[in-house]
Amino acid sequence: DGGITQSPKYLFRKEGQNVTLSCEQNLNHDAMYWYRQDPGQGLRLIYYSQIVNDFQKGDIAEGYSVSREKKESFPLTVTSAQKNPTAFYLCASTPDRGNQPQHFGDGTRLSIL
Amino acid sequence: GENVEQHPSTLSVQEGDSAVIKCTYSDSASNYFPWYKQELGKRPQLIIDIRSNVGEKKDQRIAVTLNKTAKHFSLHITETQPEDSAVYFCAASNGFGNEKLTFGTGTRLTIIP
Repeated sequence: DGGITQSPKYLFRKEGQNVTLSCEQNLNHDAMYWYRQDPGQGLRLIYYSQIVNDFQKGDIAEGYSVSREKKESFPLTVTSAQKNPTAFYLCASTPDRGNQPQHFGDGTRLSIL
Repeated sequence: GENVEQHPSTLSVQEGDSAVIKCTYSDSASNYFPWYKQELGKRPQLIIDIRSNVGEKKDQRIAVTLNKTAKHFSLHITETQPEDSAVYFCAASNGFGNEKLTFGTGTRLTIIP
């Protein structure tokens, strides 16, 4: 969906370095999500936020941090504590708290140098 | 928490034949079941979804069936075409103030011309 923008498309991280992945949406959606995708493992939830200034850990939150200071933005920081960060990261959003389809961004591919 | 299992992991069918992908879920409170199609290097895109108050939903060549008693749901693609080749993911959510989607591990569908 053109309404969710992830940047950069490709990102390289050095050992011991924190990196931040950007996710911006102009869909006026309340909820936003970060997923990690590894080959053969589907999508796993890292963090999600249902409202500004609030977020919850997903299934694999260790080594990651997020913030939700604005409705349209939900950046993900991959910290040095995440020992295996190489993956495809997907951001998604939904309109409200009800069961609504999640709309995904184009993803960021993170690799270790 | 919810656990979603998806089978098969790979599936090859002749063009024009039907393809069926099956998923089972563990949480009886789950009430929303979307299916996503992901082409190589691209974002997952919703192709169909079903809620627990219906047993079947169709959209042209695509249909989803849900058996709440057995806790499984299936994706059916008829008259397959080469452009149906992709990875398909099922997911489940309970939606009771917690819209986390739990994804299956994906099925790589290949349509043989």
